[in-house]
Amino acid sequence: KQEVTQIPAALSVPEGENLVLNCSFTDSAIYNLQWFRQDPGKGLTSLLLIQSSQREQTSGRLNASLDKSSGRSTLYIAASQPGDSATYLCAVRTIYNFNKFYFGSGTKLNVKP
Amino acid sequence: SAVISQKPSRDICQRGTSLTIQCQVDSQVTMMFWYRQQPGQSLTLIATANQGSEATYESGFVIDKFPISRPNLTFSTLTVSNMSPEDSSIYLCSVDYDYGYTFGSGTRLTVV
Repeated sequence: KQEVTQIPAALSVPEGENLVLNCSFTDSAIYNLQWFRQDPGKGLTSLLLIQSSQREQTSGRLNASLDKSSGRSTLYIAASQPGDSATYLCAVRTIYNFNKFYFGSGTKLNVKP
Repeated sequence: SAVISQKPSRDICQRGTSLTIQCQVDSQVTMMFWYRQQPGQSLTLIATANQGSEATYESGFVIDKFPISRPNLTFSTLTVSNMSPEDSSIYLCSVDYDYGYTFGSGTRLTVV
């Protein structure tokens, strides 16, 4: 069974810092990996989707990388802003069960003004 | 990507009652997914709903407690039945779009 772990569980940084969020998964037979943002009490907003054949995806200040062989993905946030404060979740889709995403428990980010 | 409208956004319900959550998608999709997120936890898949067939439930979830309807390719409902305080969670619907997931805005349910 695929297990997804996110470290750290919480992170507090001053505004303007660059930061890295980590996601690891136990089974490298993935179809794709997706990063989401969740504001308190709200739904999930998709940030980046990386297919298994890709190494990274970029959107604005966000860059996500994927290393299937080591079972790791990172989400890099450049020049963090207070508006980036949210919980960030990664989710993995395996090649065995296309209809199921396995979610990590999230990293709660607080960017201080 | 697809846009999902989910209603209600939040509700406070008495124990023993039922609540039906609706999700409307702006395009036709084959499958819709229902998730639960308990306080401080990550997402857990409740069931997968195909149009015209019975929903497929994950281990630990049963149709009597969480009946799902999928009358067409753009709409689905999830009912939380005979609620108890343990059902207090955020419930989310999602669809598979361009091989990634798109989520509704969530329903925050509190059972008192």
